[in-house]
Amino acid sequence: KQEVTQIPAALSVPEGENLVLNCSFTDSAIYNLQWFRQDPGKGLTSLLLIQSSQREQTSGRLNASLDKSSGRSTLYIAASQPGDSATYLCAVPGNMLTFGGGTRLMVKP
Amino acid sequence: DTEVTQTPKHLVMGMTNKKSLKCEQHMGHRAMYWYKQKAKKPPELMFVYSYEKLSINESVPSRFSPECPNSSLLNLHLHALQPEDSALYLCASSLPGGYQPQHFGDGTRLSIL
Repeated sequence: KQEVTQIPAALSVPEGENLVLNCSFTDSAIYNLQWFRQDPGKGLTSLLLIQSSQREQTSGRLNASLDKSSGRSTLYIAASQPGDSATYLCAVPGNMLTFGGGTRLMVKP
Repeated sequence: DTEVTQTPKHLVMGMTNKKSLKCEQHMGHRAMYWYKQKAKKPPELMFVYSYEKLSINESVPSRFSPECPNSSLLNLHLHALQPEDSALYLCASSLPGGYQPQHFGDGTRLSIL
């Protein structure tokens, strides 16, 4: 059974810092991996989708990497802004979408 | 703007009420999902419909009754809910197949009195 873990569970940084969110999964036979953003009380917004054949995906200040062999993905946020404050979830599809526990990010002005 | 629309955004109901949550998508997706999310927890899968047929029921109590009347609509009928059912209910859709990326709605915040 696939298990997905995110570290850290919470993170508070000053504005302007570059930061890395981590996601690890136990079964490396994945098809793809999604990173989502969730604002309080809202739904999930898909940020990046990395196919198993890819190593990186970029969207603006966000860069996601995937290392299947080590069972890890990272989400890099450059020059963080207060508007980036949210919960970030990674998820791996299979019979069902398996989510990590999320990282709650607070970017302070 | 989300391409998956959920209504209502908020719902407060008593334990004896009957209500329904609605979800609509026009992306041509033939797989639709209901999730339940408690505060500070990731979403938990409840039901999956594929080509309008229920394919996965994650041992959800019978007080939750899903319905997929057509390829664009997904309902969740609620009856005799308990206070612990208070949560954010999320709908998602995708192309069919278990490995397709899912698109989520903004959810319905449900409170049971």
